[in-house]
Amino acid sequence: GAVVSQHPSRVICKSGTSVKIECRSLDFQATTMFWYRQFPKKSLMLMATSNEGSKATYEQGVEKDKFLINHASLTLSTLTVTSAHPEDSSFYICSARETGRYTEAFFGQGTRLTVV
Amino acid sequence: AQSVTQPDIHITVSEGASLELRCNYSYGATPYLFWYVQSPGQGLQLLLKYFSGDTLVQGIKGFEAEFKRSQSSFNLRKPSVHWSDAAEYFCAVGSSGGSYIPTFGRGTSLIVHP
Repeated sequence: GAVVSQHPSRVICKSGTSVKIECRSLDFQATTMFWYRQFPKKSLMLMATSNEGSKATYEQGVEKDKFLINHASLTLSTLTVTSAHPEDSSFYICSARETGRYTEAFFGQGTRLTVV
Repeated sequence: AQSVTQPDIHITVSEGASLELRCNYSYGATPYLFWYVQSPGQGLQLLLKYFSGDTLVQGIKGFEAEFKRSQSSFNLRKPSVHWSDAAEYFCAVGSSGGSYIPTFGRGTSLIVHP
């Protein structure tokens, strides 16, 4: 089956530093990837849609300069949280949609970010 | 705009009992509907999905869901719950157009008592 790998699974960083999270589709090509943020006991909030070779589309209210998304290849998208602050602490999940298939996306295992 | 409502924040059942998790959606056209399960600190695993055809959908781990257009519902069921089913369950609706971006409900936390 389609596998999406997210790395790291957990990261702790100091306030003011930047953190990069990787999302890889291991056995399929993904033209489109999605980045979600999940607060405790809350649903998944779509942050942005990442398209290979083009700029990401951010949802309303999501700071583009804060959450940098790069989708440079068909198997890798990265989310960089810049100048992280404690309020950025959250669970971040990516999902990837196989090229040419529009009806399903596969999810990574998530990254727990803690900013201290 | 599409939306999903999961009216139950928590559901508690005894092991071996039957389970039904409710999901109502709002979408103008024929929706794509999904149920996902999330264990603590993990990503989402797809349980089942409905695109078209038979309105009773079978999924993994013994789960099934029924699409009822008249009620705008897609409730998840399992005849006998196991302790390992304790997790967070998310219903999602995706557009039937080409873009497909799922919208998730807030989730239902399933607690299983021995």
